[in-house]
Amino acid sequence: DAGVTQSPTHLIKTRGQQVTLRCSPKSGHDTVSWYQQALGQGPQFIFQYYEEEERQRGNFPDRFSGHQFPNYSSELNVNALLLGDSALYLCASSLLRGEETQYFGPGTRLLVL
Amino acid sequence: KNEVEQSPQNLTAQEGEFITINCSYSVGISALHWLQQHPGGGIVSLFMLSSGKKKHGRLIATINIQEKHSSLHITASHPRDSAVYICAVDGGATNKLIFGTGTLLAVQP
Repeated sequence: DAGVTQSPTHLIKTRGQQVTLRCSPKSGHDTVSWYQQALGQGPQFIFQYYEEEERQRGNFPDRFSGHQFPNYSSELNVNALLLGDSALYLCASSLLRGEETQYFGPGTRLLVL
Repeated sequence: KNEVEQSPQNLTAQEGEFITINCSYSVGISALHWLQQHPGGGIVSLFMLSSGKKKHGRLIATINIQEKHSSLHITASHPRDSAVYICAVDGGATNKLIFGTGTLLAVQP
């Protein structure tokens, strides 16, 4: 049983470009949360998807958008990239009404030049 | 002031020592998570607690809901325990986690 997978593992973009990151949740999980972790900082909540809809959102601009597909996988899109968007982007999956913990993917490290 | 505070921020220990990392939070929670992150790596969930104490191998986690405080203990520490340990709280039925800034642990042989 694969855990949470993310792609790509690393990515280099330039300012102004757009990027799409992908996440496949752990088998059986229905909820995907995205986090941004800047270097030396703790992760910050971006948003969460359940039943293909954004359930809640952290303090991130509209340049950050997402999508969840019927198979529960998810994408994070960032438009008009800024240098400050350079970070590790983590995806975590869980059951919305479950008792168990969230499972984290290995992350996608994005560098914006 | 952050909603989740950890101490210490950095910790260096000798192999075999007993280690304690503390976490205090200021919001109501449904659960508290202890996570481990190796340099450049993803996050591994160690414990999810809503009350009492949990043990897994050399790791022990406790939580005091009334005092809004949790501790992570590592017994007989080993260099492979070197990592960042992160406390995160779940504020309700939303699965949204609020993270502390982490404790960087280095265990020297």
